[in-house]
Amino acid sequence: KQEVTQIPAALSVPEGENLVLNCSFTDSAIYNLQWFRQDPGKGLTSLLLIQSSQREQTSGRLNASLDKSSGRSTLYIAASQPGDSATYLCAVEDNFNKFYFGSGTKLNVKP
Amino acid sequence: NAGVTQTPKFRVLKTGQSMTLLCAQDMNHEYMYWYRQDPGMGLRLIHYSVGEGTTAKGEVPDGYNVSRLKKQNFLLGLESAAPSQTSVYFCASSNSGGAGEQYFGPGTRLTVT
Repeated sequence: KQEVTQIPAALSVPEGENLVLNCSFTDSAIYNLQWFRQDPGKGLTSLLLIQSSQREQTSGRLNASLDKSSGRSTLYIAASQPGDSATYLCAVEDNFNKFYFGSGTKLNVKP
Repeated sequence: NAGVTQTPKFRVLKTGQSMTLLCAQDMNHEYMYWYRQDPGMGLRLIHYSVGEGTTAKGEVPDGYNVSRLKKQNFLLGLESAAPSQTSVYFCASSNSGGAGEQYFGPGTRLTVT
């Protein structure tokens, strides 16, 4: 059974700092990996999607990498801003179209 | 552009009552999903559908049933609600398995007393 773990569970940083969020998964037979953002009381918004054949994806200040063989992904956020405060979740899709989510990293960026 | 909508937004049920949650998407997506989110546990897949008329079990399907009679709608049913089903339920859709990103609805907060 696929297990997805996110470390740390919570993170507080001052504005302007670069930071890295980690995601690990136990079964490397994945179709893709997605990073999401969730604001309190809201649904999830997709940030980046990495296909299993890709190594990284970038969008603005966000960069996500994928090392399928070691079962790891990182989300790098450059020059963090208070508006980045949210919970960040990663999810992997297996070859049967099932998704498995981590429990998320709650990020607080202090002004 | 409505995207993915969920009805209702909030609901309180008594143990043993039944209800249906409705998910609708206007993006002509083939794939639709139902998740539950509990504190500290992330999202868990309940059931999903890869096309109109098809459904499949996810990670935690017990106590739930689903139907996908129309491509744009995915219904989640609770036949006999239990306190353990108190949760926030999210619906999502995607345009293809593996290649497309998931779009999420705003969620339904269900409390079973």
